[in-house]
Amino acid sequence: DIRMTQSPSSLSASVGDRVTITCRTSQYISSYLNWYQQKPGRAPKLLIHASSSLQSGVPSRFSGSGSGTDFTLTISSLQREDFATYYCQQSYSPPYTFGQGTKLEI
Amino acid sequence: EVQLVESGGVVVQPGGSLRLSCAASGFRFDDYTMAWVRQAPGKGLEWVSLFSWDGGTIYYADSVKGRFTISRDNSKNSLSLQMNSLRTEDTGLYYCAKDIGSWAATGVFDYWGQGTLVTVSS
Repeated sequence: DIRMTQSPSSLSASVGDRVTITCRTSQYISSYLNWYQQKPGRAPKLLIHASSSLQSGVPSRFSGSGSGTDFTLTISSLQREDFATYYCQQSYSPPYTFGQGTKLEI
Repeated sequence: EVQLVESGGVVVQPGGSLRLSCAASGFRFDDYTMAWVRQAPGKGLEWVSLFSWDGGTIYYADSVKGRFTISRDNSKNSLSLQMNSLRTEDTGLYYCAKDIGSWAATGVFDYWGQGTLVTVSS
């Protein structure tokens, strides 16, 4: 199975900050890397797929990059509604493993 | 509007069985691969199983292989998960999720239900 390692596990930031979350995979996955946002009591929401493709309706302050084994999610200017937990997920091969999550807090 | 509504979650004893269902609407169900993803209380996401749009591809996580069976009824726009030999570690919120690609199994999930809670406890 492909192991996913996100860092940091938690992050404190302020409105307006630029934030970067990283995800490293245990083996090569090309660009088959996706990012989800989950708020408390809510279902996950797809933000970015194929490493850098912004899902329809997602604000442009979210961006993703990377290929191979190292990936990043960047939020250019944090808004209050962005405080949530973020998960990376590989869709290169099943089982479609998720990272452990990064909790973004004020 | 895409809607996924899960049901069937209850409290069950270890070793017991349970069947979860997901009712889908707002899209052409038989064109899309569907999946189950679960989340233990206070923990992260774990992909469980996937059933392709044409039935040609079915995958399971190792943690449930041999105990869980995924199925779908395209005539009823419904996805199911039969869960047998349940363990305490199967406790969690089970989400039904839609694959982003039509006539494909991409493993990318663009719509999710609100989940149904399964509790395995004596």
